[in-house]
Amino acid sequence: DIQMTQSPSSVSASVGDRVTITCRASQDISIWLAWYQQKPGKAPNLLIFAASSLQIAVPSRFSGSGSGTDFTLTISSLQPEDFATYYCQQANSFPLTFGGGTKVEIK
Amino acid sequence: QEQLQESGPGLVKPSETLSLTCTVSGYSITSNYYCGWIRQPPGKGLEWIGSIYHSGSTYYNPSLKSRVTISIDTSKNQFSLKLSSVTAADTAVYYCATGRGYWFDPWGQGILVTVSS
Repeated sequence: DIQMTQSPSSVSASVGDRVTITCRASQDISIWLAWYQQKPGKAPNLLIFAASSLQIAVPSRFSGSGSGTDFTLTISSLQPEDFATYYCQQANSFPLTFGGGTKVEIK
Repeated sequence: QEQLQESGPGLVKPSETLSLTCTVSGYSITSNYYCGWIRQPPGKGLEWIGSIYHSGSTYYNPSLKSRVTISIDTSKNQFSLKLSSVTAADTAVYYCATGRGYWFDPWGQGILVTVSS
């Protein structure tokens, strides 16, 4: 199985800050990585697929990059509605696996 | 509008079988979609349970494979999950979701299933 390791597990930031979350795969997954945002009590929401493709209706302050084993999700200017938990997921092969999550908290 | 809705019992006794159905509306799951089940124990992260293609091909998490069955009913635009021999460790919010690739969008709202006597 491909293990997905996210860091940090939590980050405290202020509105307007630039936030970067990293995800590392235990083996090469090319560009087959997705990022999700989850707010308390809600289902995850797809932000990015294929490492850097922005899902429809997702604000452009979100961006993804990387290939192979190392990936990043960047929020260029944190907004109040962005405080949530973010998960990466490898979409290269079954069994599908998720990272452990990164909670973005208000500083 | 694309929507998914999970349905089934919210309480299951230990050793029994958890059964959930996902009803899809707004699009056809036969349109090259993978249909999946993902769960999230309270306060924890996401765990993929398994996926099914509209052709009926299934893919399961090896850690659950011996207890999981996912099926699809294209005539009803539904897919289902059965998880046998449940224990308290299977208590979680269960989500259904679909996707054209191996990522998931959209998702259902989720259903909390508690395993308790």
